[in-house]
Amino acid sequence: AQSVTQLGSHVSVSEGALVLLRCNYSSSVPPYLFWYVQYPNQGLQLLLKYTSAATLVKGINGFEAEFKKSETSFHLTKPSAHMSDAAEYFCAANTGTASKLTFGTGTRLQVTL
Amino acid sequence: EAGVAQSPRYKIIEKRQSVAFWCNPISGHATLYWYQQILGQGPKLLIQFQNNGVVDDSQLPKDRFSAERLKGVDSTLKIQPAKLEDSAVYLCASSPGTSGRVNEQFFGPGTRLTVL
Repeated sequence: AQSVTQLGSHVSVSEGALVLLRCNYSSSVPPYLFWYVQYPNQGLQLLLKYTSAATLVKGINGFEAEFKKSETSFHLTKPSAHMSDAAEYFCAANTGTASKLTFGTGTRLQVTL
Repeated sequence: EAGVAQSPRYKIIEKRQSVAFWCNPISGHATLYWYQQILGQGPKLLIQFQNNGVVDDSQLPKDRFSAERLKGVDSTLKIQPAKLEDSAVYLCASSPGTSGRVNEQFFGPGTRLTVL
């Protein structure tokens, strides 16, 4: 069975600082991995996805993530946080033949002045 | 292109009452999903439709939850009777194509259900 673990339910950074949101997965088969962002009272929006091509994936809004098989990780980063980045971020994995996603519990990002 | 539409956005009911949610996916999307997102948790898949057929309903509490996808387009999710633990946001998502792990899922804004 696959699982997704997000370390840190809340992360606070200053505006302009590095954003690092952690995600680890557990899977017996190579996963496809996704990061979604959820703004208050909105649905989830795809930030980026890893589908076994390049291990460094660039997404929207300046975010990127690196797939590290040896560490079973897919951490999300952004060099410089902006106030508009404040939201909930979810890591998700797909390891089956269908498109079913397993989500982590989410990390709430707070950006302070 | 219009996104995934859901209604109502908010619903408050008392336990043991019934409630229904509606979802209209993006035009042409073959796959439709219903997720339950309890506060503080990630979304959990309840049911997945491929056109008007069920692909996966292994986590749907079938004693109280039911779902259908009319003519392979709109879908409704019903809870009867509701329990306190059903309080959550119910998200609908759709994706293009018939299958495939790389299909991006597009999410609607969700329906926030509060059961008193």
